[in-house]
Amino acid sequence: AQSVTQLGSHVSVSEGALVLLRCNYSSSVPPYLFWYVQYPNQGLQLLLKYTSAATLVKGINGFEAEFKKSETSFHLTKPSAHMSDAAEYFCAVSRYSSASKIIFGSGTRLSIRP
Amino acid sequence: EAQVTQNPRYLITVTGKKLTVTCSQNMNHEYMSWYRQDPGLGLRQIYYSMNVEVTDKGDVPEGYKVSRKEKRNFPLILESPSPNQTSLYFCASKVGLLAGGTTDTQYFGPGTRLTVL
Repeated sequence: AQSVTQLGSHVSVSEGALVLLRCNYSSSVPPYLFWYVQYPNQGLQLLLKYTSAATLVKGINGFEAEFKKSETSFHLTKPSAHMSDAAEYFCAVSRYSSASKIIFGSGTRLSIRP
Repeated sequence: EAQVTQNPRYLITVTGKKLTVTCSQNMNHEYMSWYRQDPGLGLRQIYYSMNVEVTDKGDVPEGYKVSRKEKRNFPLILESPSPNQTSLYFCASKVGLLAGGTTDTQYFGPGTRLTVL
């Protein structure tokens, strides 16, 4: 069975500071991993995905994530937070790229302080 | 513009009154799915469809029905809504296996906020 754990339901950082959102996964087979962002009153939008190519994945809006198999982690980072980054972020895992099922984490709400 | 649309966006209803939430996509995607989002639980899959007339249960299918008679539409039906179905619902679509697509990008609709009294 696959699962995803997001550590911290709410993270607050100052504008210009490093953003680090944590995600750990559990999977008995090589996983495909995703980060989605949800802006207020909108649907989810794909930020980036790991599909067994490069372990460091770059996404949109300056975000990136590193797949670490030894730590079963896929943390999301951004060097310098912007006010427009305030949103809810979801980590997700699936078994293979065209899988019918994708398992979402419980989400982390990111707030940016001026 | 490529998009997934849902209607209605907001709905308040009463227990037991049948309702349908529509979902439509204009990207010719084979795969469509319904999720519900609840605080602290993330998104949970209700039903999904790999293609026309092919549907299957997700993680929380109880109390819901779906149909896929056309490729572009995937309505979610609540035959007898109950208060525990009060939630935010999202429809999503993506290119499926038959199209040779390996992309994992799911396109989400804007959501339907349902309140069952």
